[in-house]
Amino acid sequence: DSGVTQTPKHLITATGQRVTLRCSPRSGDLSVYWYQQSLDQGLQFLIQYYNGEERAKGNILERFSAQQFPDLHSELNLSSLELGDSALYFCASNEGAGDQPQHFGDGTRLSIL
Amino acid sequence: KNQVEQSPQSLIILEGKNCTLQCNYTVSPFSNLRWYKQDTGRGPVSLTIMTFSENTKSNGRYTATLDADTKQSSLHITASQLSDSASYICVVSFRDDKIIFGKGTRLHILP
Repeated sequence: DSGVTQTPKHLITATGQRVTLRCSPRSGDLSVYWYQQSLDQGLQFLIQYYNGEERAKGNILERFSAQQFPDLHSELNLSSLELGDSALYFCASNEGAGDQPQHFGDGTRLSIL
Repeated sequence: KNQVEQSPQSLIILEGKNCTLQCNYTVSPFSNLRWYKQDTGRGPVSLTIMTFSENTKSNGRYTATLDADTKQSSLHITASQLSDSASYICVVSFRDDKIIFGKGTRLHILP
């Protein structure tokens, strides 16, 4: 058990809709990272927050946004969903802001119909 | 262009056999390299992490090597077990905290 909790585990919705994915980091970790993993693709870094502030941005679409709250949990908002957004979305957490071994949650599987 | 390439894409071996997975990278400036194991439907789990000055690191039956001159890393699995069936992902970090994930090698262990 990595200590990182993601909800929901599965999400099925339709094109054009908006969803929110939630992540609770491991206790004591201040950094939260979001990744997207499409079928047969590697993990794509989306965005990182450290102690409530955005720290690094990857290949995150403008339709996607995230935030980290004072209690350090994070939410990833996906809007105007397209079929291509179907993927596994992983959250990972670290104690610090820099590069350290990351602890991953088990992901949210998003299916767009 | 900064890239991480893993080979083979997939590998099937018999239980008890050894195997070696490869990772080549063109990242610069290099910071560190990590290997993860990802079971189907689960998040990746870190196996090893190596910096520029380290050329080998072990974690039980897993041994990772790093050749910073040729920009190659390998993950050697000894005496494979059925539970080793998973994807193995190589991740390379830059000094300015950028990270690139390889696409992984899918390993199947047959009884």
